[in-house]
Amino acid sequence: AQKVTQAQTEISVVEKEDVTLDCVYETRDTTYYLFWYKQPPSGELVFLIRRNSFDEQNEISGRYSWNFQKSTSSFNFTITASQVVDSAVYFCALSLNSGYSTLTFGKGTMLLVSP
Amino acid sequence: DTAVSQTPKYLVTQMGNDKSIKCEQNLGHDTMYWYKQDSKKFLKIMFSYNNKELIINETVPNRFSPKSPDKAHLNLHINSLELGDSAVYFCASRGQGPAEAFFGQGTRLTVV
Repeated sequence: AQKVTQAQTEISVVEKEDVTLDCVYETRDTTYYLFWYKQPPSGELVFLIRRNSFDEQNEISGRYSWNFQKSTSSFNFTITASQVVDSAVYFCALSLNSGYSTLTFGKGTMLLVSP
Repeated sequence: DTAVSQTPKYLVTQMGNDKSIKCEQNLGHDTMYWYKQDSKKFLKIMFSYNNKELIINETVPNRFSPKSPDKAHLNLHINSLELGDSAVYFCASRGQGPAEAFFGQGTRLTVV
């Protein structure tokens, strides 16, 4: 069975600080997919990124960047120059390659960015 | 046009009542899910449907009965509601392969 661990329950930073959210996963499958979702205070779940297990290239999208390392089974998420609007709960998730696989979520990291 | 829509957004009801939550997606996806988010924000899969067929039932009490009249709809009916059923319930849909899941806005169920 697969598992996703987000060890940081809550992180508080001041605006403009950089912050990294950790995600460690466990699976015996060689093909799998990793995701990050954002849940702002309004409650909806917003998709941020998908990564497959064969693509270890880091990705950058604006102030967001993701570091995928298979050697450590980690898929970490960094926000550069954080803003108050980044305050949310962030979830890392894992899905296997089978057609009916669900998304298994970590417990989430609450990020609070204060002005 | 909302991709995955759930109704109602809020539901307050007494213990012992029966209630339903409706979900519709207009993305043409074959797969739909129900997830439960507890008070600690943990998201746990309840059911997975593919093309109207139940694929996964994650040890959910049989008071919970999903129904999929067609592949665009997945409704959740809950009988004999209990205090512990209070949570936010999310419907989601997903395309084929390694696609991301799209979530509805959630239904906050409060049992009093």
